[in-house]
Amino acid sequence: DTGVSQDPRHKITKRGQNVTFRCDPISEHNRLYWYRQTLGQGPEFLTYFQNEAQLEKSRLLSDRFSAERPKGSFSTLEIQRTEQGDSAMYLCASSLGPSGTDTQYFGPGTRLTVL
Amino acid sequence: GQNIDQPTEMTATEGAIVQINCTYQTSGFNGLFWYQQHAGEAPTFLSYNVLDGLEEKGRFSSFLSRSKGYSYLLLKELQMKDSASYLCAVRDPVTGGGNKLTFGTGTQLKVEL
Repeated sequence: DTGVSQDPRHKITKRGQNVTFRCDPISEHNRLYWYRQTLGQGPEFLTYFQNEAQLEKSRLLSDRFSAERPKGSFSTLEIQRTEQGDSAMYLCASSLGPSGTDTQYFGPGTRLTVL
Repeated sequence: GQNIDQPTEMTATEGAIVQINCTYQTSGFNGLFWYQQHAGEAPTFLSYNVLDGLEEKGRFSSFLSRSKGYSYLLLKELQMKDSASYLCAVRDPVTGGGNKLTFGTGTQLKVEL
């Protein structure tokens, strides 16, 4: 049983460039979440997918951010025209809902540094 | 919205017991989670409470009082590897039946010899 995986683990980019991150959830999980975490803070919710449908987006998710989950399996998070304030750890989580506790399991994250 | 408070740092001795408190004020509540996070790594699920009372899992226990907006995580027989950040998170529903987690800033626990 593999856990949530994310790629790449680290990304360094220059301000103004576009970046894309990938998340592969636990295979049977239908729910997928993206969070952002900065140093010394807890993760902050960005967006949520149920299968391929994006059902909730945080106000933190500006129009430079877009997320997709085209076939209800893996997901991508794209940031256009990156800014230094986008530097953070981007975490993906998945869960099997609505049954049970719907516990979210996190991937190792993608650490983004914008120079 | 959600407001979650937990101490920033705690120090304890190997072999001892430590209690990490979490208080919350929320507009919605659908359970409280505790996660452990080592530096540079992903949060790892520790425990879940949705009803009042104590949940025990090995060396870790978690308590919830919904009326007081209060939870604690109890770690027994501390080991050096328990040095990590402990995140309290409240879950509330979002559109479509899913849930989002709102996290506190985390309590950095240092276990000393």
